Amino acid sequence: DQQVKQNSPSLSVQEGRISILNCDYTNSMFDYFLWYKKYPAEGPTFLISISSIKDKNEDGRFTVFLNKSAKHLSLHIVPSQPGDSAVYFCAARKSGGYQKVTFGTGTKLQVIP
Amino acid sequence: EAEVAQSPRYKITEKSQAVAFWCDPISGHATLYWYRQILGQGPELLVQFQDESVVDDSQLPKDRFSAERLKGVDSTLKIQPAELGDSAMYLCASSLDGLAGVSSYNEQFFGPGTRLTVL
Repeated sequence: DQQVKQNSPSLSVQEGRISILNCDYTNSMFDYFLWYKKYPAEGPTFLISISSIKDKNEDGRFTVFLNKSAKHLSLHIVPSQPGDSAVYFCAARKSGGYQKVTFGTGTKLQVIP
Repeated sequence: EAEVAQSPRYKITEKSQAVAFWCDPISGHATLYWYRQILGQGPELLVQFQDESVVDDSQLPKDRFSAERLKGVDSTLKIQPAELGDSAMYLCASSLDGLAGVSSYNEQFFGPGTRLTVL
């Protein structure tokens, strides 16, 4: 039962353009959402997060949008840079108790110079 | 910059053998996590420690996997006996505190992982 889904395994974008990575979730109890970035031979690193009380969170070139009614979130990267090429994981958790984070399957982003 | 250390980075073993992985979290982090990442999938939590106590091991295959964090600092994950399906990346992460507050996140910092291949 995949509670966090990333339906696009890969995405290619030209440098300077916008990258949009999508994520869907099924568990309505999730109230905090995260994006992690992973380079080969390294562990994932935290990128940006959003609470369910918001619908948008921005950090520099990265913006995460949350649509609770659709159980959908997206990560926008503008402008995309070659160094952004990595695997991006969407993740989610619910509040209360010890936080167990549920990860999606990842989307491999390639930014073409 | 403080990092999560893991060893070994790579391990090749034959099925039915025992393997062990080690993790040293960032100093001062109370919470330690072990994840398994199968190729093409996202990390899946195996076990979570708060100090030396296990707070979640619901996804740990306890017939063959064991984990300990005896002094509440570093941790060892063991598999005995290893099976072909255990081939995966084993990731360790740590955070200051594992409690999930509302509208907050105690960032998990990941180590580089141990790539296990079972032949």
